[in-house]
Amino acid sequence: NAGVTQTPKFRILKIGQSMTLQCTQDMNHNYMYWYRQDPGMGLKLIYYSVGAGITDKGEVPNGYNVSRSTTEDFPLRLELAAPSQTSVYFCASSWLAGGNEQFFGPGTRLTVL
Amino acid sequence: AQKVTQAQTEISVVEKEDVTLDCVYETRDTTYYLFWYKQPPSGELVFLIRRNSFDEQNEISGRYSWNFQKSTSSFNFTITASQVVDSAVYFCALSEAAGNTGKLIFGQGTTLQVKP
Repeated sequence: NAGVTQTPKFRILKIGQSMTLQCTQDMNHNYMYWYRQDPGMGLKLIYYSVGAGITDKGEVPNGYNVSRSTTEDFPLRLELAAPSQTSVYFCASSWLAGGNEQFFGPGTRLTVL
Repeated sequence: AQKVTQAQTEISVVEKEDVTLDCVYETRDTTYYLFWYKQPPSGELVFLIRRNSFDEQNEISGRYSWNFQKSTSSFNFTITASQVVDSAVYFCALSEAAGNTGKLIFGQGTTLQVKP
């Protein structure tokens, strides 16, 4: 049971480039989340999904897109990368909402230069 | 609006000291959940505890204890006899039941340094 896995671990992008951050969970969780953590700050929600085919915006969705075609995968797409998107990105999943513990992936450290 | 405030940015203690990390939250929901997560230097997020708004009992787990007080909207975390391995960033988080989305609102985090 690998839990929540994220790839890549590190990435450097140039301004204007695009990329997809991958997130996969093998716990058959319905709920999945993308957060970003800026230096010295708490995590902020980018997008979330309550099940395959259903996604919605979080607190800081601008510049990002998501899709959820399967229960297991929840990729995060960055279009036209900007320096403001330099951050650590965490994917998380939970079986239910309602106060269930969220299991976090190891994170992707992204730098946009 | 929902908000979580961890007023202590950094705390430094010497091993074996007790330390309390403060967490104050704001919500209009009557049903909500509070969490503490630990982020060690390696960067991953480790779940420590969850509390629902109807359960104000304090909880103790080994050297860790949590004090939940609805009257002051606080959910404080105490480490007794701190150890160097407790050095980490600690996050308090809130999730409202409304909407059934499970979204977490995080505080800014408190960096705890335990010196030998």
